[in-house]
Amino acid sequence: GQQVMQIPQYQHVQEGEDFTTYCNSSTTLSNIQWYKQRPGGHPVFLIQLVKSGEVKKQKRLTFQFGEAKKNSSLHITATQTTDVGTYFCAGRRLEDSNYQLIWGAGTKLIIKP
Amino acid sequence: KAGVTQTPRYLIKTRGQQVTLSCSPISGHRSVSWYQQTPGQGLQFLFEYFSETQRNKGNFPGRFSGRQFSNSRSEMNVSTLELGDSALYLCASSLGLAGYSEQYFGPGTRLTVT
Repeated sequence: GQQVMQIPQYQHVQEGEDFTTYCNSSTTLSNIQWYKQRPGGHPVFLIQLVKSGEVKKQKRLTFQFGEAKKNSSLHITATQTTDVGTYFCAGRRLEDSNYQLIWGAGTKLIIKP
Repeated sequence: KAGVTQTPRYLIKTRGQQVTLSCSPISGHRSVSWYQQTPGQGLQFLFEYFSETQRNKGNFPGRFSGRQFSNSRSEMNVSTLELGDSALYLCASSLGLAGYSEQYFGPGTRLTVT
């Protein structure tokens, strides 16, 4: 079954409001990746986090990797219509020697008109 | 640098038939992963090939199979198609194994089974 839980499934925000999606794993992750899929498009790589407690920023996007490397978050400040899409996290379990990525179910960001 | 290409882009098949989808990775990439995506669903991992060897496999029935050639191009095959196989099939390539390498996705093949 799914081992990386991503919440919420959907988030409706007014343009200009903030948005956050969370990923939680039952086991320690070696690394976590974030992807964005625009409506009708394919997933596009955003970032990879590797270190415990790591925080990375890309303009209005802030990515965090938890101290225990079991959770991660993506926060968008002051959303814009260009942020619409589904955000996926994907992580590799530390003990998995096959380097398989485990994907979250995604959070769909919807901007209310 | 050319991106990941997938052919065909659209396909309509009848239940019971089989289908083969093709993926050409970015030049130099050795890993190709395949995913199934249905409306409103996330990405369901099918399998990953690295240097012609299947490294990982998702929870799909044996009707779904794949292979990778020496030039890293990959194909996936679905035999005895079912209506539930209608989906967008995405492939992604990466320099190293997907578990620690950035993946680049192709535009997908939209398969409709009638």
